[in-house]
Amino acid sequence: QSALTQPPSASGSPGQSVTISCTGTSSDVGGYNYVSWYQRNPGKAPKLMIYEVDKRPSGVPDRFSGSKSGNTASLTVSGLQAEDEADYYCSSYAGSNTLVFGGGTKLTVL
Amino acid sequence: EVQLLESGGGLVQPGGSLRLSCAASGFTFSTYAMSWVRQASGKGLEWVSAISGSGGRTYYADSVKGRFTISRDNSKNTLYLQMNSLRAEDTAVYYCAKGFVVVVDLDAFDIWGQGTMVTVSS
Repeated sequence: QSALTQPPSASGSPGQSVTISCTGTSSDVGGYNYVSWYQRNPGKAPKLMIYEVDKRPSGVPDRFSGSKSGNTASLTVSGLQAEDEADYYCSSYAGSNTLVFGGGTKLTVL
Repeated sequence: EVQLLESGGGLVQPGGSLRLSCAASGFTFSTYAMSWVRQASGKGLEWVSAISGSGGRTYYADSVKGRFTISRDNSKNTLYLQMNSLRAEDTAVYYCAKGFVVVVDLDAFDIWGQGTMVTVSS
């Protein structure tokens, strides 16, 4: 159950698009379509942004999108806004009835 | 309002035990799987354990298997985590989280509590 690999940081200017990667193995990200993405602001509970690779819960702006290719999942934020600045975490079902998170990516809006 | 409220954290010596609780409100508790997720200071999120809506299926991370026990009382809308043989590396903020997809026990979490701090130290 090794943590998924995310870049420690990512950044973009308002209006731009930024993509955050989440790399695992064929035993987790690559093997199942149960990848989720969470937004975490300081002192607040994580907010579900994407589930099952590319599905958006009600209320999440369509500027947020998810995808997967092989063992790497990605979260893309289009039309970046100041309020998008936060930590983002991915998670994936990892087989054998376990779940694994990524280490988190700090997104900075320049 | 859908809400999760954890309690039971505190300071405990290595080898000691602690029982966390998570009181749920605002949704049909027995319908959804629930999980515990922890975060050590300066680290990322780590999934700890999950339990199905009925309580009949339980799941554990290797790091806590054999030491922690997850349970739920659907009549009280409460989730529990019994933690035994605690180690320094168990020190973290523990969050309870509600499963989002009804038919899948280990998928996404849409509601999280504010967390309760567990410190394992002599």
